[in-house]
Amino acid sequence: SQTIHQWPATLVQPVGSPLSLECTVEGTSNPNLYWYRQAAGRGLQLLFYSVGIGQISSEVPQNLSASRPQDRQFILSSKKLLLSDSGFYLCASGFGIAETQYFGPGTRLLVL
Amino acid sequence: SQQGEEDPQALSIQEGENATMNCSYKTSINNLQWYRQNSGRGLVHLILIRSNEREKHSGRLRVTLDTSKKSSSLLITASRAADTASYFCATDPGGGSNYKLTFGKGTLLTVNP
Repeated sequence: SQTIHQWPATLVQPVGSPLSLECTVEGTSNPNLYWYRQAAGRGLQLLFYSVGIGQISSEVPQNLSASRPQDRQFILSSKKLLLSDSGFYLCASGFGIAETQYFGPGTRLLVL
Repeated sequence: SQQGEEDPQALSIQEGENATMNCSYKTSINNLQWYRQNSGRGLVHLILIRSNEREKHSGRLRVTLDTSKKSSSLLITASRAADTASYFCATDPGGGSNYKLTFGKGTLLTVNP
């Protein structure tokens, strides 16, 4: 079975600082990878997804970006964080069309 | 707008009772999934029901799907305090080749001991 790793678990950053969140997948190859953001008490908002190395699809225009430098590595970045970037960021892995997704433990980001 | 919408937003029951959560969606789907999220954790996949299936069971979970009404329900029987969590339905947004899932806002279930 596959395992999704995310780090860090918690991050407090000042407004205007850069961001790099990392997600790695174990136990599988060539997965689809996803970044979601979840505001407190809300559902999941899909930010980016990738069906292969170097292939990124953006769902929501914002000051975040994503990259997939390796098959099982997915990175979420920002050059300058905004207060509104605070939230719970989840990485997920899946296969095929609309099939089961496996989630990492999440990173809680607080921008002050 | 959300493809999947759960109802109710919050549900509080006593241990041993059954819990029923509903999900409605707008467009045709390939499948519908239910996920569980404990507070501050990642989501865990519970069950997937395909568009040509009407009912599916997994342990104490029973999921139904009514494609004519564009709705699904998740029943948890004989609930336990450990079932306390948020439950989300997820669907593909519909039509053609699509790798995405759209999640609802979730139902927060509290099971009181």
